[in-house]
Amino acid sequence: RKEVEQDPGPFNVPEGATVAFNCTYSNSASQSFFWYRQDCRKEPKLLMSVYSSGNEDGRFTAQLNRASQYISLLIRDSKLSDSATYLCVVNLGNDYKLSFGAGTTVTVRA
Amino acid sequence: DTGVSQDPRHKITKRGQNVTFRCDPISEHNRLYWYRQTLGQGPEFLTYFQNEAQLEKSRLLSDRFSAERPKGSFSTLEIQRTEQGDSAMYLCASSFGTGFTDTQYFGPGTRLTVL
Repeated sequence: RKEVEQDPGPFNVPEGATVAFNCTYSNSASQSFFWYRQDCRKEPKLLMSVYSSGNEDGRFTAQLNRASQYISLLIRDSKLSDSATYLCVVNLGNDYKLSFGAGTTVTVRA
Repeated sequence: DTGVSQDPRHKITKRGQNVTFRCDPISEHNRLYWYRQTLGQGPEFLTYFQNEAQLEKSRLLSDRFSAERPKGSFSTLEIQRTEQGDSAMYLCASSFGTGFTDTQYFGPGTRLTVL
């Protein structure tokens, strides 16, 4: 079983729509959670950390459900520039390596 | 540009050849990481350094792979006797701090193609 699993998508949405997707992680001892964004053939870039209480950053909202071991990302009022692959990332908390999901592809169309 | 830099950006080699990649982390970042990413997958951890010490290596890092960070600044990743399965994007990241939640900043990667 993979440590982090994501729905690969793609999610094709019109501009202005809301899109949401989840990822699940297998290790209940995981301590830190992140969403990274990766544009085609570019490096991953941190989008936001995910906190237990949930957090927002502009149009992006991240939620963590420890009991069910999943993390979610919601994008409101989608922009064309939101088109990317969103990587769910987990850190066990006992070392520094990150475990990445395979990514969820989002395409926002005009 | 003060971000993580990697060189070369692209490398095409024949099976059996040795290749070496370089990563220059963000200045003063004490930790440096190597990941490998294949098409359609997320990055997979290979190894990391704290200053010059290599603290962890993944089982993915076979004996043909070696990484160094001799002075705690730049790092090199060498692959000996390359195989077609080594074709991937090799990503370097760096971070600063002492916690497990420190942000890792990624470089643009070196794309390796083994013919």
